[in-house]
Amino acid sequence: AQTVTQSQPEMSVQEAETVTLSCTYDTSESDYYLFWYKQPPSRQMILVIRQEAYKQQNATENRFSVNFQKAAKSFSLKISDSQLGDAAMYFCAYRSVGANSKLTFGKGITLSVRP
Amino acid sequence: DAGVIQSPRHEVTEMGQEVTLRCKPISGHNSLFWYRQTMMRGLELLIYFNNNVPIDDSGMPEDRFSAKMPNASFSTLKIQPSEPRDSAVYFCASRLGRSRAGYTFGSGTRLTVV
Repeated sequence: AQTVTQSQPEMSVQEAETVTLSCTYDTSESDYYLFWYKQPPSRQMILVIRQEAYKQQNATENRFSVNFQKAAKSFSLKISDSQLGDAAMYFCAYRSVGANSKLTFGKGITLSVRP
Repeated sequence: DAGVIQSPRHEVTEMGQEVTLRCKPISGHNSLFWYRQTMMRGLELLIYFNNNVPIDDSGMPEDRFSAKMPNASFSTLKIQPSEPRDSAVYFCASRLGRSRAGYTFGSGTRLTVV
């Protein structure tokens, strides 16, 4: 079974600075999807960014980018120019490519942004 | 589209009572998932459906939990009888089949069993 590990429970960043959130996973599959979700205090789960394992190019969405290291099974999220609205819990997640696949989450990391 | 709609948003009930959580997936999405979120265990998948058929219910904690999807636009998660340890936020999410997209989550139901 696939597992997702987020070893840092909390992180803090100064507004306008850059922060990197770490995630590792374990799988025997060669093709899969990886995601980062954001959960603000409103508790809504918001998809931040997605990476397909067969793509070597790291995904980017505005201020959010990933560092995908397939051999190391590492998938970190970089947030540039941090904003107060980025304060939230962030979850890393894994999904196989099959039609009946399910999303497996890490424990999450709480990010605070200092003004 | 209104997104995934869950009701109620909050539910407070007494131990031993039956609780029913409801979910309306996004129209056209054929996969539906129920997750439970707690501080201790994080996000756990309880059960998921594909084309209204339960595919994997191995995450359902006990026989007190049951889920149904009578049609493509509605699903329920029932707890009978409820216990204080069932207190959590329950999320419903939907996805379009083999889509490479992630899931779309509802706003969740915060259940408190006293």
